[in-house]
Amino acid sequence: KQEVTQIPAALSVPEGENLVLNCSFTDSAIYNLQWFRQDPGKGLTSLLLIQSSQREQTSGRLNASLDKSSGRSTLYIAASQPGDSATYLCAVRPYNNNDMRFGAGTRLTVKP
Amino acid sequence: DAGVIQSPRHEVTEMGQEVTLRCKPISGHNSLFWYRQTMMRGLELLIYFNNNVPIDDSGMPEDRFSAKMPNASFSTLKIQPSEPRDSAVYFCASSFRGRATDTQYFGPGTRLTVL
Repeated sequence: KQEVTQIPAALSVPEGENLVLNCSFTDSAIYNLQWFRQDPGKGLTSLLLIQSSQREQTSGRLNASLDKSSGRSTLYIAASQPGDSATYLCAVRPYNNNDMRFGAGTRLTVKP
Repeated sequence: DAGVIQSPRHEVTEMGQEVTLRCKPISGHNSLFWYRQTMMRGLELLIYFNNNVPIDDSGMPEDRFSAKMPNASFSTLKIQPSEPRDSAVYFCASSFRGRATDTQYFGPGTRLTVL
């Protein structure tokens, strides 16, 4: 059974810092990996989706990498801002299956 | 585009009562997903539909839970009878074709409290 782990569970940084969130998964037979953002009391917003054949995806200040063989992904946030404060979840999807497995998330706080 | 719409946003009920959660997917999307989020278990897929047909309901916890999608613009998740351990946030999501490459768009969720 696929297990998805996110470390750290919580992270607090001053505004302007670059930071890395980690995601690991136990079964490397994945179709893709997706990073989401969740604000308190709201649903999930997709940030980046990386196909299994890709190494990374970039969107603005966000960069996500994928090392499928080692079962790891990182989300890099450059020049963090208070508006980046949220919980970030990663999810992996197996082949031919819509059953995404989510990590528990990393709660990020960016202090002004 | 209004996004995925869920109602109610909050529901408080007593144990044993029937609860019905509602979802309107994004217009034009053919796939709909129901998730449950708890502190203990995180986010879990309960069931998903393609073209109004249930494809995989293996995540539905027990027979007290049922889901329907009578048309492309409406789905319900029903719990009967409800129990305190059903307390959670229930999310509905939709995607264009339900393929693994398609992004899922999430609704704001329904926070259910069963007393």
